[in-house]
Amino acid sequence: DAGITQSPRHKVTETGTPVTLRCHQTENHRYMYWYRQDPGHGLRLIHYSYGVKDTDKGEVSDGYSVSRSKTEDFLLTLESATSSQTSVYFCATSVLTDTQYFGPGTRLTVL
Amino acid sequence: GQQVMQIPQYQHVQEGEDFTTYCNSSTTLSNIQWYKQRPGGHPVFLIQLVKSGEVKKQKRLTFQFGEAKKNSSLHITATQTTDVGTYFCAGEVVDSSNTGKLIFGQGTTLQVKP
Repeated sequence: DAGITQSPRHKVTETGTPVTLRCHQTENHRYMYWYRQDPGHGLRLIHYSYGVKDTDKGEVSDGYSVSRSKTEDFLLTLESATSSQTSVYFCATSVLTDTQYFGPGTRLTVL
Repeated sequence: GQQVMQIPQYQHVQEGEDFTTYCNSSTTLSNIQWYKQRPGGHPVFLIQLVKSGEVKKQKRLTFQFGEAKKNSSLHITATQTTDVGTYFCAGEVVDSSNTGKLIFGQGTTLQVKP
């Protein structure tokens, strides 16, 4: 597997608090993605990046923002967490627009 | 919006039986990829199909891409307990922006009884 780490791996937070999840890669891959995984929905794209400071929205971007100031780091921020954002979050990277390599995931619970 | 539908959602089989999952897109795809996720794990890439009508095999797994590039299937022959997991198809929509965005199906969870 590609060198992709996510932090934290587990987080419990309260409604209304800001949360930032970090994805770090050591492979120098150009593309990075944030997905959420919920039962019955598969993986849904939140935001993606096609280069440093180049990001765009996915299909479920409301309530989320991202930043990519370095090739290796892609941050996902929930400005004001809601219970509907309780989910497992996966980061992924790719060299070109082909194989995506996934990180281990972050389990987020919003109470 | 663009959708990729995958069926069935769950499948329970006896070890040794065959298994098939199907994927259908509402739009033409430039390619389709398949991923496997073990329980508690993360998705892992299995294969990518690019050409219309393409068929690829990996040991007991056979992957097909439809002629119209809107559907795909994964067939496992003689399932084993190691095949347990959720199988996802993911399509890249024909798009001039070439962003690599994938649309994932909902996944098929396979349980294998020894």
